[in-house]
Amino acid sequence: QKEVEQNSGPLSVPEGAIASLNCTYSDRGSQSFFWYRQYSGKSPELIMFIYSNGDKEDGRFTAQLNKASQYVSLLIRDSQPSDSATYLCAVNINSGSQGNLIFGKGTKLSVKP
Amino acid sequence: DTAVSQTPKYLVTQMGNDKSIKCEQNLGHDTMYWYKQDSKKFLKIMFSYNNKELIINETVPNRFSPKSPDKAHLNLHINSLELGDSAVYFCASSQDTPGLAGGDTQYFGPGTRLTVL
Repeated sequence: QKEVEQNSGPLSVPEGAIASLNCTYSDRGSQSFFWYRQYSGKSPELIMFIYSNGDKEDGRFTAQLNKASQYVSLLIRDSQPSDSATYLCAVNINSGSQGNLIFGKGTKLSVKP
Repeated sequence: DTAVSQTPKYLVTQMGNDKSIKCEQNLGHDTMYWYKQDSKKFLKIMFSYNNKELIINETVPNRFSPKSPDKAHLNLHINSLELGDSAVYFCASSQDTPGLAGGDTQYFGPGTRLTVL
């Protein structure tokens, strides 16, 4: 059973702080990794994808991947109240072909003004 | 200019009925998907489909069937609805170009909230 694990939270951080969201996955053959943000009552929207070990930065967001440890994380710098949402980690176990995303259960982030 | 659209947004129906949810994408993507998000917000793949292959999650009851009239549409038909089918159903699509960074990124529709009474 291929699994993606996330701490369900809620994770509460003050405005302006760094929020750190973590995810582990079980399938060592996984090739591509995604972070989605989902506001309550809305659909998941892509924040970032990452394929290679190391860091990938996009604005206030940094994704970190460590395939040896089967670990992917998302850092949100200068957190804003508008970042309050559920963050879904997803792993594609069939990268490059008909995709098969396995989602974690999500971490709920709350940014307090 | 919505990328992935679904209709209806809300669907309330009686147990035992048959219903369909429609999905359309104008991104020119090759693969489309259906997901179910339950009350605990767990998002789980039901089907993935392109013009070559339909992959069915083995846990999906055969009361659920995807129907694709063309590459841009993947509808979900549900027979004999049960209380446990109440959930939000999301359609998604991806380009799935091998070797293209981000090519397997999936883009989601707005969701259909199904309530079975």
